[in-house]
Amino acid sequence: DAGITQSPRYKITETGRQVTLMCHQTWSHSYMFWYRQDLGHGLRLIYYSAAADITDKGEVSDGYVVSRSKTENFPLTLESATRSQTSVYFCASSGEGENTEAFFGQGTRLTVV
Amino acid sequence: KQEVTQIPAALSVPEGENLVLNCSFTDSAIYNLQWFRQDPGKGLTSLLLIQSSQREQTSGRLNASLDKSSGRSTLYIAASQPGDSATYLCAVPAGGNDKLIFGTGTRLQVFP
Repeated sequence: DAGITQSPRYKITETGRQVTLMCHQTWSHSYMFWYRQDLGHGLRLIYYSAAADITDKGEVSDGYVVSRSKTENFPLTLESATRSQTSVYFCASSGEGENTEAFFGQGTRLTVV
Repeated sequence: KQEVTQIPAALSVPEGENLVLNCSFTDSAIYNLQWFRQDPGKGLTSLLLIQSSQREQTSGRLNASLDKSSGRSTLYIAASQPGDSATYLCAVPAGGNDKLIFGTGTRLQVFP
């Protein structure tokens, strides 16, 4: 299917475990992003990538790691999950140029117990 | 630092009304502004993108305007329907084509 897909849609994990959220896009967009959405905080940027092998931190990057070995994939890893990382995570992508739309995945709801 | 604010935070209206949702931003040096819709438990759906050189953009019953000098954008929804019930978010890029800065959102409910 064309578009941007995230997996899993729902995940429950224990404190201290490592967990990886997957994001795949089929448009060959250069830019990819990870956001988290929390009540009272809205959407906040965790990490972004301008191209394969180029990543940069966002506003709330502590405790997260990303990689981008292929243009279409942008996995997000929580190295040692904490309860404060319970959230809904959204992946997004956009193309080159100053006026291209950003497109979002359906989100992953992560609960850390 | 760019800050984006949306007013009102919530809105409840009867079906058929014309609506205006507001978005304001502190740094007028933006390339574009994008409006999104988010249904409960779902991802964000792009509605409209207005380029900095444009003043308006239309899609069906939706019309978005942009006034960079005053740091404002409005989303006009004509003849609202219950299916329009959702949260509406505006966002501006922090620089170039990279990270978006989101507003706090307006939660809209349209009742029959």
